[in-house]
Amino acid sequence: IVMMQSPATLSVSPGERATLSCRASQTVYRHLAWYQQKPGQAPRLLIYGATTRATGVPARFSGSGSGTEFTLTVESLQSEDSAVYYCQQYSNWPRSSFGQGTKLEIK
Amino acid sequence: QVQLVQSGDEVKKPGASVRVSCKASNFTFNNYYIRWVRQAPGQGLEWMGWIDSYNGKTEYAEKFQGRVTMTTDTSTSTAYLELRSLRSDDTALYYCAREREEMTPRGYYYYMDVWGKGTAVIVS
Repeated sequence: IVMMQSPATLSVSPGERATLSCRASQTVYRHLAWYQQKPGQAPRLLIYGATTRATGVPARFSGSGSGTEFTLTVESLQSEDSAVYYCQQYSNWPRSSFGQGTKLEIK
Repeated sequence: QVQLVQSGDEVKKPGASVRVSCKASNFTFNNYYIRWVRQAPGQGLEWMGWIDSYNGKTEYAEKFQGRVTMTTDTSTSTAYLELRSLRSDDTALYYCAREREEMTPRGYYYYMDVWGKGTAVIVS
């Protein structure tokens, strides 16, 4: 299953909202997770089951979608949200695949 | 705290093999799965494979079939990744991650909630 993320880079002002998209080449139902990776760090789980926030993740982060179209929304952007965001599907678990990532820049 | 501690960075020649370890701390190793993910310089995340710590069952990405072996040692709560016939394009940061399973009314969800810091493998 091929995962495609858009846009490749997103530049948003502090306090604004960022909307990141992830599309699957075939349905993955709700078997989708989102990860945040900052430079020099390992990825961090944000969202699983398409919509469930992981423990400790601020409510500013929300996930939506099912089937082939998914969205990660980050409200009230802060400078610390600057990172690369990856979606990952696991509908054919234990096989899995990642999107190529969206780089979120804070202006 | 709950963590995965990976072995140190490696420099290998083309054609050689590398073994990366991933030791679990402060959680019951057998109760979780382990995924291996790599990241080439400046590139995205690539899933390499998966192992069930309880019974050693594995699933490898097609790209690595025949070149990779994943194992676990439950007595030391350690997972291992071996990659053979190394090429220059295997130069990457190799991560292990704990994967947990959650049963919900909508079915089983899986996610990687604890990650190692990564092991750099340089093939040159």
